[in-house]
Amino acid sequence: GESVGLHLPTLSVQEGDNSIINCAYSNSASDYFIWYKQESGKGPQFIIDIRSNMDKRQGQRVTVLLNKTVKHLSLQIAATQPGDSAVYFCAENRAQFYFGTGTSLTVIP
Amino acid sequence: GAVVSQHPSRVICKSGTSVKIECRSLDFQATTMFWYRQFPKQSLMLMATSNEGSKATYEQGVEKDKFLINHASLTLSTLTVTSAHPEDSSFYICSARDNTPGLSGYTFGSGTRLTVV
Repeated sequence: GESVGLHLPTLSVQEGDNSIINCAYSNSASDYFIWYKQESGKGPQFIIDIRSNMDKRQGQRVTVLLNKTVKHLSLQIAATQPGDSAVYFCAENRAQFYFGTGTSLTVIP
Repeated sequence: GAVVSQHPSRVICKSGTSVKIECRSLDFQATTMFWYRQFPKQSLMLMATSNEGSKATYEQGVEKDKFLINHASLTLSTLTVTSAHPEDSSFYICSARDNTPGLSGYTFGSGTRLTVV
């Protein structure tokens, strides 16, 4: 499944499928980006980050892609699990961190 | 890893009273901490940047006299919501960055759910 951020704030995927969560950022001067996961009633948890001099970074089951030309970030989650259900935010660094709107991911067992 | 402790996790107060929320970095020193507010089903909105030993920097539209921030030590920042009103009910979250080389990102507290009745 794939989201388009502001136009699709919720994303439902079947367990085991790959998820793609998209984020558009606003400032071309932003040099550092982070994806966070927030479970209900909790603070955000760091997932993965990427600097502007990179276009791809991989972690465990997650990959972040950065397209500076169109100011777009995506988070790919491989083999999505029920524990991945949460709201995902991208954040861009411009001296402070500013968060995107967020996408709510629901994994269907 | 870096841990940020936020207290209390939940608080209910009466309109007109003040509430203090604490944010502590447990295993690192944080010269800068950040305070966010989050309404239901919305993103985190940066309220202010708290700087140890100096005045906080507030984002546009955030009333500095209503949301008092004190960062008196390298491990503690406090946010006081003064003369609270029901519209101040929200989820308040702090974060801090560990400047140790090699660590990425900002660590967030677990948040404080404020309900003003």
